[in-house]
Amino acid sequence: DAMVIQNPRYQVTQFGKPVTLSCSQTLNHNVMYWYQQKSSQAPKLLFHYYDKDFNNEADTPDNFQSRRPNTSFCFLDIRSPGLGDAAMYLCATSRDRAANTEAFFGQGTRLTVV
Amino acid sequence: AQSVTQPDIHITVSEGASLELRCNYSYGATPYLFWYVQSPGQGLQLLLKYFSGDTLVQGIKGFEAEFKRSQSSFNLRKPSVHWSDAAEYFCAVGSYNTDKLIFGTGTRLQVFP
Repeated sequence: DAMVIQNPRYQVTQFGKPVTLSCSQTLNHNVMYWYQQKSSQAPKLLFHYYDKDFNNEADTPDNFQSRRPNTSFCFLDIRSPGLGDAAMYLCATSRDRAANTEAFFGQGTRLTVV
Repeated sequence: AQSVTQPDIHITVSEGASLELRCNYSYGATPYLFWYVQSPGQGLQLLLKYFSGDTLVQGIKGFEAEFKRSQSSFNLRKPSVHWSDAAEYFCAVGSYNTDKLIFGTGTRLQVFP
C-alpha cells in the first residue's frame, strides 16, 4: 500500500563521507520534493523535480544534490555531510507542481552524522 | 512574503476534551491551506485542505478546520481527542503561483488519559 517509499529509514554516516538517500513512488506523480526537517522544526524544502526539470531552492547548500533517473525514483546526495546535516529527510510527491495539489510524504530517513 | 504562524508550540489536553490548534497565515492572495499530522518518526499525512468554497472543511480522523479570511486564520479543531491523536501538527500555505508549501513550525499535541 505504501505509495512513497524511502530507504533506508535510518542512516548513519561518517563526517565527510558521501551518502545517498533514496525515494520511490508508485503514484506516477510528476513532482518529487526533498525536505529537510531538523528536530522540532518545520520541514524545509531543499529542491524539487517537475518531471525532469530540477528546481533548487536558493538557500540549499551546494553540498546537497539530487538525481531523478526516471519518474519513480529520486535520490538525495549529500557530498560531504557535516554534523549540521543530521536531520530527518522527507520525500514527497504531488500530481502537479501547483501548491493546490496534495503532497504525499514518505516516512522519512533519519540521518545521523558521526 | 508568505508565512505561517502556529503560536502554540506545545498543547496538552485530556482524552475526550475538545481541541483547537491555531494557525495564522500571511499572504496577499487567496491561499491554499493545509493541515498535516506527523507521528513520531514518521512522514507527514494530510488531514485536510482548503482551496475555495465552504470555509468549514472536514478532514480525516474527525478533524475539521475553518478558514476565516478576516482573521487570516485556519484553525484546526476536534470535538473529542483520542490518545492516538498525540502527534505534531503542521499548518501549511501555498498559492496558485508557487510550486511549494510553506510550513509553520508545528504544534506538538500531548494527550493525557
